[in-house]
Amino acid sequence: AQSVTQLGSHVSVSEGALVLLRCNYSSSVPPYLFWYVQYPNQGLQLLLKYTSAATLVKGINGFEAEFKKSETSFHLTKPSAHMSDAAEYFCAVSGGSNYKLTFGKGTLLTVNP
Amino acid sequence: GAGVSQTPSNKVTEKGKYVELRCDPISGHTALYWYRQSLGQGPEFLIYFQGTGAADDSGLPNDRFFAVRPEGSVSTLKIQRTERGDSAVYLCASSGAGGPTDTQYFGPGTRLTVL
Repeated sequence: AQSVTQLGSHVSVSEGALVLLRCNYSSSVPPYLFWYVQYPNQGLQLLLKYTSAATLVKGINGFEAEFKKSETSFHLTKPSAHMSDAAEYFCAVSGGSNYKLTFGKGTLLTVNP
Repeated sequence: GAGVSQTPSNKVTEKGKYVELRCDPISGHTALYWYRQSLGQGPEFLIYFQGTGAADDSGLPNDRFFAVRPEGSVSTLKIQRTERGDSAVYLCASSGAGGPTDTQYFGPGTRLTVL
């Protein structure tokens, strides 16, 4: 079985500040991890994914995430927030022969001017 | 190129009615997934197709829900005897081969409201 916990349903940062969105996972098989972003009235868009190669993964729009097996974490970071980063972010896990994505409940990011 | 499209974008129906939701995947993608997203929740898996066959339908909540993909492209999610608890956004995704590391490309969703 697999599960994802996203700590903080709502994160608010100032423009230019560090963005840190937390994701912890549980998996009985080696996990593959994904971060998706959802803008209002749009579909989910992949930001980045970990597929057991490099543990530090760089994605689009300046986001990156680090896979830490010992902490069962895959936190998403961006050094400097832009207003355009305001959206909902979802962490998801798959693994083994399990093709389906199991999502967390999401974190709504607000960026203040 | 064209992404995943879903129709209708919104569907309002009455309790007990039958509804069909359509998904057009990215051309050439053999894998297709349906998810359901309730308010304040992340998407939850419903069913996965590899080609024309349902490889995993373990997420369908009950026998009122059924999905088909007869020609290995377009898929239709069918809900019989709708209930108010079925109200949610239904998301479709497709990927190239269906492996666990494949990127799933999502459509904009169909918002279903059951009155």
